Amino acid sequence: QQQVKQSPQSLIVQKGGISIINCAYENTAFDYFPWYQQFPGKGPALLIAIRPDVSEKKEGRFTISFNKSAKQFSLHIMDSQPGDSATYFCAASSGAGSYQLTFGKGTKLSVIP
Amino acid sequence: NAGVMQNPRHLVRRRGQEARLRCSPMKGHSHVYWYRQLPEEGLKFMVYLQKENIIDESGMPKERFSAEFPKEGPSILRIQQVVRGDSAAYFCASSRGQGITYNEQFFGPGTRLTVL
Repeated sequence: QQQVKQSPQSLIVQKGGISIINCAYENTAFDYFPWYQQFPGKGPALLIAIRPDVSEKKEGRFTISFNKSAKQFSLHIMDSQPGDSATYFCAASSGAGSYQLTFGKGTKLSVIP
Repeated sequence: NAGVMQNPRHLVRRRGQEARLRCSPMKGHSHVYWYRQLPEEGLKFMVYLQKENIIDESGMPKERFSAEFPKEGPSILRIQQVVRGDSAAYFCASSRGQGITYNEQFFGPGTRLTVL
């Protein structure tokens, strides 16, 4: 049973536009929600993370929005650039467990000039 | 400050051989996680270790796979008698510890295992 559902599978955005990736989770014990960026042939890099006590977190051009009641969270990339073209993974973990990350299946983002 | 290191970066094995994947955590990190990534898929948790202890191996296949994190040296993920289905990218992540401010996981570059 997939516990973190991510959409869309792929996304094409014009340079300067806003990229939006959505995730939904099922396990109410999850209390930590990171986003990772992965370039081909590389390991995932931690981008930004949020905990359920806040509804939004912003770091530079990246913003996480979190809706606890709907069990959904999303990543917004403002002013998207060609260098942002990568695969993005949402994830979730629980302090009630061993903090292992449960990942979504990923969104391949292409930012075109 | 060196990040998480993994070697080898690429590993080719024939069916029935053994594969050994190594992971050195970031300096100051004592917790190691192993994940497997199949093509076009997200990462799947395999095992969580602290020095000399396996804490959670709920994602590890019951047979042929084992992991260790000795007191000295890197963590090792060992796959015995590899099969073609084991072909994947294996990533190691490390964290400082548990708790709300310590569980950020940082990933290594991965080992791409190909089984012929």
